[in-house]
Amino acid sequence: EEQLVESGGTLVLPGRSLRLSCTASGFSFGDYAMTWVRQAPGKGLEWVGLIRSKTFDGTTELAASVKGRFTISRDDSKSIAYLQMNSLKTEDTAVYLCGRDLVAVSEGRYYYYGMDVWGQGTTVIVSS
Amino acid sequence: DIQMTQSPSSLSASVGDRVTISCQASQDIDNHLSWYQQKPGKAPKLLIYDAFNLKTGVPSRFRGSGSGTDFTFTISSLQPEDIATYYCRQSDNFPYTFGQGTQLEIK
Repeated sequence: EEQLVESGGTLVLPGRSLRLSCTASGFSFGDYAMTWVRQAPGKGLEWVGLIRSKTFDGTTELAASVKGRFTISRDDSKSIAYLQMNSLKTEDTAVYLCGRDLVAVSEGRYYYYGMDVWGQGTTVIVSS
Repeated sequence: DIQMTQSPSSLSASVGDRVTISCQASQDIDNHLSWYQQKPGKAPKLLIYDAFNLKTGVPSRFRGSGSGTDFTFTISSLQPEDIATYYCRQSDNFPYTFGQGTQLEIK
């Protein structure tokens, strides 16, 4: 069974750092891009960022709201994607979900057309 | 950034009704749009990708259409298990963005 499990969420003080993990099983993790999404309490989904597979250079994209504070990395040998969160703010409080994002090539460019496997999320609370 | 305007924000309908949700992009995104269903306390589930392609295993009562800036998600005959919040997501340009969501309730 293809599965993703997030971990690392906790209560943390503003300004502190936290690293979340997204551990995959049941599929060839290294072949896929991984996306992080968050959902603040009672709110909608917010796209946080993506890390490409090594086939597509393993580079990352981040939302403006987290750029400069968050980084995404991956360890394909362990089938884990990480979300490193620094300088945390109260507005970062959310459930953080990871998902497998599928790539397609169209007219000479590629894009990620859908998150087909999701974890259940891990909760981050930023509060003093 | 591309803004995704989803409407309505909430919708109440009866079992068997046809339900339509709209998603409008602030610029042309070709057909690079997907639709997700999220039930309370659960992770989202991919239903439709590339605007109109139904993911394998998703019931055929779900349908997507549109291209460019205007997209529509339709449930042809609402079932009780369809109660959820639905989101669109554009994947034409980074940062990818979600619509605000449509909360669907049974009347």
